[in-house]
Amino acid sequence: DTGVSQDPRHKITKRGQNVTFRCDPISEHNRLYWYRQTLGQGPEFLTYFQNEAQLEKSRLLSDRFSAERPKGSFSTLEIQRTEQGDSAMYLCASRLTRQGTHEQYFGPGTRLTVT
Amino acid sequence: AQTVTQSQPEMSVQEAETVTLSCTYDTSENNYYLFWYKQPPSRQMILVIRQEAYKQQNATENRFSVNFQKAAKSFSLKISDSQLGDTAMYFCAFMKQWSNTGKLIFGQGTTLQVKP
Repeated sequence: DTGVSQDPRHKITKRGQNVTFRCDPISEHNRLYWYRQTLGQGPEFLTYFQNEAQLEKSRLLSDRFSAERPKGSFSTLEIQRTEQGDSAMYLCASRLTRQGTHEQYFGPGTRLTVT
Repeated sequence: AQTVTQSQPEMSVQEAETVTLSCTYDTSENNYYLFWYKQPPSRQMILVIRQEAYKQQNATENRFSVNFQKAAKSFSLKISDSQLGDTAMYFCAFMKQWSNTGKLIFGQGTTLQVKP
C-alpha cells in the first residue's frame, strides 16, 4: 500500500452520464497528479495540482473533464457526458516537492467502463 | 517533446534467472531523471529504481540494476534472481529535471511473467 487511495475502484456507467472520482493523497504531499491509462498502454498525464492550485492541464483533458483539490487535500476528477472513449483506468499520484525527492506515489486507480 | 519507447510488450523468465527489460527515450534535455515503475496485477504502481542523468554510475537497488547509456538514450532494467513476485507490468518513465510540473512520461510497458 502506497498510502494513496482512490474511490471507487471500479465504475460502470452509461454513455452520457456524469461520473466523479476521488483521490486521497498522502497527507503531507503538496503535489497531486491525475493520469489516464488505457489498456496495454502506459499512463498519460492529465493534470496536476500544487496544493489547491491546478497549474497545468494536458490537451487530453477536454472541456468535459474538470478536477478540483479543495484546501489542498483530496482531489476529485469529474467527467461530464461520458463517451465510450473515456473508458480507461484513472490513476492518481501524489508527491512531496522537496530537494532530492522525485518519487510519485500512485493510488490503485479507478477503472471506468462506459457502455 | 519527450518520448519513451519500450519495444518488448511481453517477456518471460524462469524463477531465479536474470532478465533485462529495454527502454529507449528521446529528448533534447540534458538534465533529467529516469525511472522504472512496477505495476503488479490489480495492485498499485510502485517505484523500482531511479537514475539521475547527471550521474554516470548506474543505479542499483538489491536485485534490480540499470544500464544507463546517455549518449544512446537507453535505460534498461536488469532483474537478477527473478522471483515469482516480480511478475508485473514494468514501465519506464522520464521526467525533466527542471520541470515545473514534474510530470512523468511513460513508455508503453513490458509485461513480465516469472515462471516457477
